[in-house]
Amino acid sequence: NAGVTQTPKFRILKIGQSMTLQCTQDMNHNYMYWYRQDPGMGLKLIYYSVGAGITDKGEVPNGYNVSRSTTEDFPLRLELAAPSQTSVYFCASRSGFQPQHFGDGTRLSIL
Amino acid sequence: AQTVTQSQPEMSVQEAETVTLSCTYDTSENNYYLFWYKQPPSRQMILVIRQEAYKQQNATENRFSVNFQKAAKSFSLKISDSQLGDTAMYFCAYSLSGNTPLVFGKGTRLSVIA
Repeated sequence: NAGVTQTPKFRILKIGQSMTLQCTQDMNHNYMYWYRQDPGMGLKLIYYSVGAGITDKGEVPNGYNVSRSTTEDFPLRLELAAPSQTSVYFCASRSGFQPQHFGDGTRLSIL
Repeated sequence: AQTVTQSQPEMSVQEAETVTLSCTYDTSENNYYLFWYKQPPSRQMILVIRQEAYKQQNATENRFSVNFQKAAKSFSLKISDSQLGDTAMYFCAYSLSGNTPLVFGKGTRLSVIA
């Protein structure tokens, strides 16, 4: 059982470039989340989804976009990368009242 | 908005000793969930323990236990018989019942010393 899979694990971008962070889960969870973790800080919510076709903003959504066309996939899009988006990104999913399952994270550096 | 505060940025403990990590939170809700997550150097987020607010009994998981004080909005984690593998960042988190996302504290870095 793979759980929550994030790709890539590491990436370096130049300022102004765009990219998509992939997240897929095989547990048929309705709820999926994207968090970012800055150095020495806890995780902050970027976007979340309660099911296919439904997304909502979290605490720090500026500079990001998401889509949820299927239950399994929840990609996070950076359109114009900025140095402030250098961070570790975590995808998570959950079902009902069960705890969230986290992916292993994507370390993104923007230079 | 709900907030979670961890007042101890760093702590250390001798191997086999007991350590307690503090967490307070702010909410106007009556039903909610509280969690402790461990993040080792591998960066994985690992659930340690969780507590449902409607349960008065404190949750325990092997060497890990919590002291949940609902009126004081306090949720501390006790690690007994500390092991070197317990060295990690520990995050306290809050979630309103249902599908709401987690709200995290800033974390406590725990070092277990041999």
